[in-house]
Amino acid sequence: GDSVTQMEGPVTLSEEAFLTINCTYTATGYPSLFWYVQYPGEGLQLLLKATKADDKGSNKGFEATYRKETTSFHLEKGSVQVSDSAVYFCALSDRIQGAQKLVFGQGTRLTINP
Amino acid sequence: EAQVTQNPRYLITVTGKKLTVTCSQNMNHEYMSWYRQDPGLGLRQIYYSMNVEVTDKGDVPEGYKVSRKEKRNFPLILESPSPNQTSLYFCASSFGQGSTDTQYFGPGTRLTVL
Repeated sequence: GDSVTQMEGPVTLSEEAFLTINCTYTATGYPSLFWYVQYPGEGLQLLLKATKADDKGSNKGFEATYRKETTSFHLEKGSVQVSDSAVYFCALSDRIQGAQKLVFGQGTRLTINP
Repeated sequence: EAQVTQNPRYLITVTGKKLTVTCSQNMNHEYMSWYRQDPGLGLRQIYYSMNVEVTDKGDVPEGYKVSRKEKRNFPLILESPSPNQTSLYFCASSFGQGSTDTQYFGPGTRLTVL
């Protein structure tokens, strides 16, 4: 079945450092790929998405490119801020038997120190 | 304000005492679902609903029930809670059922079953 594997955390960086969180997937169909972010005490919210191969999603300085050849969707940001501290989830969405199926990775906790 | 609301936000109960967690969305979304979040496992889908009176099992439905009598509401029912249902629960909704649709999440309900 479909699955998502994320880089294990926790990840701790200093402010202005470069961030990469790795995400790879397996899927039987042609999924859409998402990054969701969960700030402390809140629900998940969409950070960015890409719906087909070679698409690049971007938002708030974060980017991720849908790489079909390597089945990856790595999250990057050039200069992180303390406010980026959160848990990040990679997810894929596919239609299985007529219904949307959303599969999440295990989450990566990111802490940015000033 | 467009949102998904859940109540209660925190609940401590005892084994076997029936409980209901409510979920409501004000975006006229067709698709709603429930997830549980456990450390190291990401989010796993419990049940989903494609429209009023249409519900189906997700990946971990055992011990849970749902209903969808109105489009905006999707309560989660635990008829006889057990300690292994201690978890963080999220309700989510989306406009449609396509794989590109963004999920909107509620703030979460932290349940402890003693």
